[in-house]
Amino acid sequence: ETGVTQSPTHLIKTRGQQVTLRCSSQSGHNTVSWYQQALGQGPQFIFQYYREEENGRGNFPPRFSGLQFPNYSSELNVNALELDDSALYLCASSFLRQGVSDEQFFGPGTRLTVL
Amino acid sequence: RKEVEQDPGPFNVPEGATVAFNCTYSNSASQSFFWYRQDCRKEPKLLMSVYSSGNEDGRFTAQLNRASQYISLLIRDSKLSDSATYLCVVNVKGYNKLIFGAGTRLAVHP
Repeated sequence: ETGVTQSPTHLIKTRGQQVTLRCSSQSGHNTVSWYQQALGQGPQFIFQYYREEENGRGNFPPRFSGLQFPNYSSELNVNALELDDSALYLCASSFLRQGVSDEQFFGPGTRLTVL
Repeated sequence: RKEVEQDPGPFNVPEGATVAFNCTYSNSASQSFFWYRQDCRKEPKLLMSVYSSGNEDGRFTAQLNRASQYISLLIRDSKLSDSATYLCVVNVKGYNKLIFGAGTRLAVHP
């Protein structure tokens, strides 16, 4: 086990709703990255948080937003849900040092279904 | 063109077979290279990092060719437990995001 936890494990929402996903990073890590994995695809980078600030963002619209807390845990918020947001959402915890990240350890993911 | 491209698969092989996965990446600034394994409905887990000199871990051998922007993974003496999706992953210099290929599914049968 990596020590990275995510909640909830599964979630069903309807179009237009908002969702918050949570991630607790591994002890000693200071960075959380979020990825979206659609069925049959590899994970796609959404954004990364370091020291409570966004530290890089992938090609996702502004309705995808996040937070990092002083204990390095993180939230991913998605507003105005669309059917295509249905995916496995993974968070990855790592230690960032001098701008370079060590190995990223993934949590078990949250499976979001949008109806 | 996708940043990381892999063989589409699936690969169906008998136990004991040798199987090779190929991967190409488009960004010449790519700095770090990895193979991840992902079991069905589970999170990706690091299988091995890939170095220019090539590296081996038991039955697994990874190779990197920077000139051709090509990465490979060789699995010898396949086991039933090797059945999974194998993801080729790169990390571009100056960024801390992992860029994943779509993955290649391997099914090892008795």
